[in-house]
Amino acid sequence: KNEVEQSPQNLTAQEGEFITINCSYSVGISALHWLQQHPGGGIVSLFMLSSGKKKHGRLIATINIQEKHSSLHITASHPRDSAVYICAVREAGNQFYFGTGTSLTVIP
Amino acid sequence: DAGITQSPRHKVTETGTPVTLRCHQTENHRYMYWYRQDPGHGLRLIHYSYGVKDTDKGEVSDGYSVSRSKTEDFLLTLESATSSQTSVYFCAISEQGEAFFGQGTRLTVV
Repeated sequence: KNEVEQSPQNLTAQEGEFITINCSYSVGISALHWLQQHPGGGIVSLFMLSSGKKKHGRLIATINIQEKHSSLHITASHPRDSAVYICAVREAGNQFYFGTGTSLTVIP
Repeated sequence: DAGITQSPRHKVTETGTPVTLRCHQTENHRYMYWYRQDPGHGLRLIHYSYGVKDTDKGEVSDGYSVSRSKTEDFLLTLESATSSQTSVYFCAISEQGEAFFGQGTRLTVV
């Protein structure tokens, strides 16, 4: 049983396209994180959300607590956005559950 | 960037040998975690700590032990490494919901 489900697993886009990655979770949470991992690289936290919407540059993250769903949007995608994006939720006991990630490739 | 470092970054070891990975933080965060990352799986929790000398097991703790004698250091030990422990290991720290990850340690057991 996976507490966190992401879709799609793999995504290929042309440079400039608008991209959406979805995350659904089944546990009660105190926060949701979107993480980015470049090939062979470390993991970087992009956003922490507990409600509503956050924007950072070309990245936008939204969360609907009632529906237990979050989306990560990338506007005007660029090849440097190619990475694995991971959804993680933090439940009240300070445990994190992770999705298996979405591998994004942006083609010039 | 949060001050969290893992060492070593890469290690090749032989089956049956003991291995210790170190996670060091300069943020004074209370919670520290060790995860392993394998293809087809999300990050899986090995052990975690909620304070000095306070640790608990995660979902894949068999074959691993940990110690936290100081706030800043969280050590992961493989008592007798096996090929199934070949993986990338990530340390994370957390405080007030924020999470920060180390750069990872790629461990190969041959």
